[in-house]
Amino acid sequence: KQEVTQIPAALSVPEGENLVLNCSFTDSAIYNLQWFRQDPGKGLTSLLLIQSSQREQTSGRLNASLDKSSGRSTLYIAASQPGDSATYLCASLANDYKLSFGAGTTVTVRA
Amino acid sequence: EAGVAQSPRYKIIEKRQSVAFWCNPISGHATLYWYQQILGQGPKLLIQFQNNGVVDDSQLPKDRFSAERLKGVDSTLKIQPAKLEDSAVYLCASSSPRGTRGSTDTQYFGPGTRLTVL
Repeated sequence: KQEVTQIPAALSVPEGENLVLNCSFTDSAIYNLQWFRQDPGKGLTSLLLIQSSQREQTSGRLNASLDKSSGRSTLYIAASQPGDSATYLCASLANDYKLSFGAGTTVTVRA
Repeated sequence: EAGVAQSPRYKIIEKRQSVAFWCNPISGHATLYWYQQILGQGPKLLIQFQNNGVVDDSQLPKDRFSAERLKGVDSTLKIQPAKLEDSAVYLCASSSPRGTRGSTDTQYFGPGTRLTVL
């Protein structure tokens, strides 16, 4: 059974600082890995999806890397803004279509 | 494009009562998922439908939870009777099946229903 871990559980940074969020998974036989954002009281919004054959994906200030061999993914958010405050979840998709989620990292960006 | 719709957004019930949640997926998405997200945890898959057939319900507590997908579109999730530990956010998601045109394996999530069992 896939286990996905996100450390730290919470992070508080001043505005403008770069954010680094870590995700680790136990089974490297994944189809893809996704990063989601969840705002309080809201559903999940997909941020980036990295296919198993890819090493990274970028979208604006967001960059996600994937190292299947070590079972790790990292989400980088450059020049953080107060609007980036949210919970960020990573999830791996197995070949049987099942998404396994981490518990998330709650980010607070202080103005 | 309209997103995944869910209702109600909030529900408070007493233990041993019953409750039902409704989900309308994105038009054309054949795959529908129900997740349970307990506070401080990631979502856990309860059941997955492909059209109106169940693909996976291994994590669904079948003694109290049931779900159906009428005509392969809308879906309802029911809990009867509810327990205190059922307090959670229930998320519905939909996606295009792998191999279909335009599929990206991305699941699109609704806003969720927050259930509080007293």
